[in-house]
Amino acid sequence: EPEVTQTPSHQVTQMGQEVILRCVPISNHLYFYWYRQILGQKVEFLVSFYNNEISEKSEIFDDQFSVERPDGSNFTLKIRSTKLEDSAMYFCASPEAGLAADTQYFGPGTRLTVL
Amino acid sequence: SQQGEEDPQALSIQEGENATMNCSYKTSINNLQWYRQNSGRGLVHLILIRSNEREKHSGRLRVTLDTSKKSSSLLITASRAADTASYFCATRRLSGYALNFGKGTSLLVTP
Repeated sequence: EPEVTQTPSHQVTQMGQEVILRCVPISNHLYFYWYRQILGQKVEFLVSFYNNEISEKSEIFDDQFSVERPDGSNFTLKIRSTKLEDSAMYFCASPEAGLAADTQYFGPGTRLTVL
Repeated sequence: SQQGEEDPQALSIQEGENATMNCSYKTSINNLQWYRQNSGRGLVHLILIRSNEREKHSGRLRVTLDTSKKSSSLLITASRAADTASYFCATRRLSGYALNFGKGTSLLVTP
């Protein structure tokens, strides 16, 4: 199965600090997603990114969040001023065929803990 | 929310038994997917069933879809301890290609 990687695996930060979560999606894929999962809750969609632009975002993805593709391979999610309620697992995903296919491959996630 | 709920929320069975999980959704769909999540890990795609299909098999997995009732079920036959995980159904958001997930069923298979 194609592999999506994420770093770091665990990030601990103080409230109000900025964090950057990184994802390396499947090679040559142009379409990416970020999801989050608060402990014990369901996986929630944050944002999708296609060809260097946000193509869709949820109500969760407010001005505190931003996404970038700083180089040809990495894909980042930045949280500008973290809040306690941002503590969650954050997952990056690539669709199966590189474009907007239904099946998605998920990375292992970054566990963000905000103190 | 477009996505309904899975039930049961938690299921505990012994190895060799079958496990059945159900999912309900609220809107019209093109397809429905099931994913598995091992504790603290990412989600792994298991199976996709299209809206014009009623049943689909993949190994020990059997998925059914009833679009009139807006519900789906996932059956795992002859379960193994390694099947212990959370199972989520997912449908595509109306506004694009991202997925809406249910709250999941936590399955525990004991030896």
